[in-house]
Amino acid sequence: SQTIHQWPATLVQPVGSPLSLECTVEGTSNPNLYWYRQAAGRGLQLLFYSVGIGQISSEVPQNLSASRPQDRQFILSSKKLLLSDSGFYLCAWTRLGAEAFFGQGTRLTVV
Amino acid sequence: TQLLEQSPQFLSIQEGENLTVYCNSSSVFSSLQWYRQEPGEGPVLLVTVVTGGEVKKLKRLTFQFGDARKDSSLHITAAQPGDTGLYLCAGAKNAGGTSYGKLTFGQGTILTVHP
Repeated sequence: SQTIHQWPATLVQPVGSPLSLECTVEGTSNPNLYWYRQAAGRGLQLLFYSVGIGQISSEVPQNLSASRPQDRQFILSSKKLLLSDSGFYLCAWTRLGAEAFFGQGTRLTVV
Repeated sequence: TQLLEQSPQFLSIQEGENLTVYCNSSSVFSSLQWYRQEPGEGPVLLVTVVTGGEVKKLKRLTFQFGDARKDSSLHITAAQPGDTGLYLCAGAKNAGGTSYGKLTFGQGTILTVHP
């Protein structure tokens, strides 16, 4: 069966520090991978998606970047965090039916 | 921009009551999904509806996809405290092709069921 791992679960970072969130998927090959951000108790905003190694599409202009160095690895990064980058970040993968399977999420607080 | 309007945003009811959550759009979706999310965790898929007019039942939950595939509803019968959570609808434009499985999410409905 397929599983998705996302870490860390929580992170407190000072303004101006770098960021690296990692997501890996097991049990499937060539998945579509996504990074979403969620405001408290609200819907999800798509940040990045990837259909293959090295292929990244950005949905919204922002202070973040994404990379896919391996087929089942997706990384969300920032060189210098802003206060507005605080939020709940979710990694997800989909198969052909577009049904999404999410990681446990990372609560990022920029202080 | 494809928008999914989800209502109500908040719902607070007593155990045993029935409720309906709505998800509406002016766009046609190839499929529509419902997720449930608990605090601090990722959303979990409940159901996918694909065919216009389709009705799916999952125990006390009934999901319906509109005939024109622009809207959907989630009905819960005899709600229980364990149903408490954030419910999200999400539409997929095209499973293949250029949409790459990207989902458009509604704003969510926070359901609280009091014992």
